[in-house]
Amino acid sequence: NAGVTQTPKFRVLKTGQSMTLLCAQDMNHEYMYWYRQDPGMGLRLIHYSVGEGTTAKGEVPDGYNVSRLKKQNFLLGLESAAPSQTSVYFCASSFPDTGRQFMNTEAFFGQGTRLTVV
Amino acid sequence: GIQVEQSPPDLILQEGANSTLRCNFSDSVNNLQWFHQNPWGQLINLFYIPSGTKQNGRLSATTVATERYSLLYISSSQTTDSGVYFCAVEGAGGYNKLIFGAGTRLAVHP
Repeated sequence: NAGVTQTPKFRVLKTGQSMTLLCAQDMNHEYMYWYRQDPGMGLRLIHYSVGEGTTAKGEVPDGYNVSRLKKQNFLLGLESAAPSQTSVYFCASSFPDTGRQFMNTEAFFGQGTRLTVV
Repeated sequence: GIQVEQSPPDLILQEGANSTLRCNFSDSVNNLQWFHQNPWGQLINLFYIPSGTKQNGRLSATTVATERYSLLYISSSQTTDSGVYFCAVEGAGGYNKLIFGAGTRLAVHP
């Protein structure tokens, strides 16, 4: 049971290049999330998904796009990378909150992707 | 939106000392988690604790939801406890979207 796996772990991009970060979870979780962490700060939510085929914006969505074509995968895309997108990106997944009084909604995080845009 | 404040921002301990980290939040929450981010950047789940008290070895946590705070206790600290401790709560709109505090940076010296 791998949990939440992110690919790649490290990447350096030039300004204007595009790339896709892949997140895969094997816990059959409905909800998935992408966060970014900047130095000395907590994590901030970029986009999230509450099920296959659905996505929604979080706190800091500008410059990013996402897709959830399969339940187990959540992709984060940067169409034209900028130095301000230099950050560590974390993916997470959790159960749905329906009937939460009986359900543990703990979120689990991947190991992170360190992205540098030069 | 909901605000999460952690204190203290920095903490330096000698190995073997005990400590208490605090998390205050501005509204009622359905989910609260404590994480440890180790020096390699990995986020490790410590506690899922929207209310009540839990213990795991040398660590324990208490959330008093009615008073909007949570405490993380570390006893007999070890150098491997060093890193950043984050409190995160579910923000407005549900779907378990977590709002993170700024963290407490802990350094444990031998």
